[in-house]
Amino acid sequence: EAQVTQNPRYLITVTGKKLTVTCSQNMNHEYMSWYRQDPGLGLRQIYYSMNVEVTDKGDVPEGYKVSRKEKRNFPLILESPSPNQTSLYFCASSLSGQGTGETNEKLFFGSGTQLSVL
Amino acid sequence: SQQGEEDPQALSIQEGENATMNCSYKTSINNLQWYRQNSGRGLVHLILIRSNEREKHSGRLRVTLDTSKKSSSLLITASRAADTASYFCATDTFSSGAGSYQLTFGKGTKLSVIP
Repeated sequence: EAQVTQNPRYLITVTGKKLTVTCSQNMNHEYMSWYRQDPGLGLRQIYYSMNVEVTDKGDVPEGYKVSRKEKRNFPLILESPSPNQTSLYFCASSLSGQGTGETNEKLFFGSGTQLSVL
Repeated sequence: SQQGEEDPQALSIQEGENATMNCSYKTSINNLQWYRQNSGRGLVHLILIRSNEREKHSGRLRVTLDTSKKSSSLLITASRAADTASYFCATDTFSSGAGSYQLTFGKGTKLSVIP
């Protein structure tokens, strides 16, 4: 089944303890992205990747790191989590991101990771 | 930066009625997409409309795009209780020079369809 898999689904941690949220897609998609969703603020993009070894900052990258060593995986790393990073996180992927308007640009989303930083 | 803004923030209608949601954006776009989110779940793609298209249909969904007004609308006809969800518009910006592609979401419209 074609899907984007995020783990874990729920995570409670303490301030300063490094954590990684994993994201994997099995659709051979080039484009992958991380979003966070907060009440009243909608979805905001953290980082995105156009392809392997190509990553770029979104609108709210501070406090996050990403890597794209393989096409299928795009982990989100919080080196020193803080309470303001408590949020619902989504990983998403699409076949490509070239602005052509084809259906290969529709995003497929994971189920989300609810992170609480105490 | 938040590109799209949906209106209204919340909408409550009776089953069988039509639901209309609007999206306004600020800068030029390549395409506009609409997504649906059931409470706390991942978003699901509904429809994509290109910047050179004015209207598109998919089942009970009708999307319009007015690039001169920088706005789009999503119409759900003959709504059902199962349509209860949040709906988001997303606009993309692609820079061939920078080789970057970003899809930016609005804050969403929360639709409640009452049986």
